[in-house]
Amino acid sequence: GENVEQHPSTLSVQEGDSAVIKCTYSDSASNYFPWYKQELGKRPQLIIDIRSNVGEKKDQRIAVTLNKTAKHFSLHITETQPEDSAVYFCAARVFTVRNQFYFGTGTSLTVIP
Amino acid sequence: DVKVTQSSRYLVKRTGEKVFLECVQDMDHENMFWYRQDPGLGLRLIYFSYDVKMKEKGDIPEGYSVSREKKERFSLILESASTNQTSMYLCASSESMGVVYGYTFGSGTRLTVV
Repeated sequence: GENVEQHPSTLSVQEGDSAVIKCTYSDSASNYFPWYKQELGKRPQLIIDIRSNVGEKKDQRIAVTLNKTAKHFSLHITETQPEDSAVYFCAARVFTVRNQFYFGTGTSLTVIP
Repeated sequence: DVKVTQSSRYLVKRTGEKVFLECVQDMDHENMFWYRQDPGLGLRLIYFSYDVKMKEKGDIPEGYSVSREKKERFSLILESASTNQTSMYLCASSESMGVVYGYTFGSGTRLTVV
């Protein structure tokens, strides 16, 4: 099955700096890559996603890039703010499975004021 | 605005007890999932269901079973709870294959087995 690796596991940045989280996947059949943000004590929530026919997608301060050849995708957060502090999960969806997502192990991001 | 509801936020159970974790969604989603979340291990799939009365094993089904008698409800059952099942349990739902949407998660149930 699909294997998703996520790095780094922890990340600390100064407020205003950028943060980048990287994920790799193994199954070339994966065609959809969502990112989830989980604040302390709350449910994971979808913050941005990208499909395999797109190389980059932006939504205000967050962006996701996808390199299908290298099978990796990244989350970029610019001008970080303390409220960006959370655990971020990447995921990959294999088209051949019943909408099953394979998750990375998570990145705990801390934005230092 | 809550769309996926897990019945308990915190549970404490004794070793050997039978434990039921309930999840209800109001979005008419076909697919429902149970994950457990552990530090450093991310989200691991226990079971999923793509239709009423249908279920499939995920990556770590041992020690668990599930029930889906109605479309909106997906229950996770720990037949005989053990301390290594202490974890955060997350339920999720999604539309069926062919519609590219992310999951909607419940708020989670933190289960402690003593």
